[in-house]
Amino acid sequence: EAEVAQSPRYKITEKSQAVAFWCDPISGHATLYWYRQILGQGPELLVQFQDESVVDDSQLPKDRFSAERLKGVDSTLKIQPAELGDSAMYLCASSLRLADTDTQYFGPGTRLTVL
Amino acid sequence: AQSVSQHNHHVILSEAASLELGCNYSYGGTVNLFWYVQYPGQHLQLLLKYFSGDPLVKGIKGFEAEFIKSKFSFNLRKPSVQWSDTAEYFCATSGYSSASKIIFGSGTRLSIRP
Repeated sequence: EAEVAQSPRYKITEKSQAVAFWCDPISGHATLYWYRQILGQGPELLVQFQDESVVDDSQLPKDRFSAERLKGVDSTLKIQPAELGDSAMYLCASSLRLADTDTQYFGPGTRLTVL
Repeated sequence: AQSVSQHNHHVILSEAASLELGCNYSYGGTVNLFWYVQYPGQHLQLLLKYFSGDPLVKGIKGFEAEFIKSKFSFNLRKPSVQWSDTAEYFCATSGYSSASKIIFGSGTRLSIRP
């Protein structure tokens, strides 16, 4: 069964350092989502792509976070500089089309710890 | 703005007990409602969803949820839980458009004693 791949699975960094997370959606899925899940809370959408275009990045802290999906396939989420409050699980999800928000497939996530 | 409230943060039950997890949503318009589950060490996955029609929705693994519009609720139920139901459960909502983003609740951790 096809799955969403994410790497690394765990990342420990010091504050003010730069970190990057990678996501490879299910083959053929045009829509890709990045979520942040703080411990004890539900996932919160950071950015949504349709192919290589950003559809929604209203919750992305643009002063330090950036996301790209240059060829409309895999995607990278970057934080620079990392802050203590960025410690969280970062989830990637994909769906076949923009209209399939309700049918998202989630990856295993990257757990970030900022020291 | 849409929001979802899950008031039970941690529920502990014995096997074979009945389960009901509360979920209340806040949105004046037509909504879609979901329950997601995350088993230990596994990916977040969809348990069931409600878009329209029969307010009683049946999902995987014997779970069901009932949409009660007058109470703005979408509680998750299972008549008899198993140890394997130990997981984190998230209620979520989105706007009527299928392209609307999903808003998740804070989750309820369910622990089942064998």
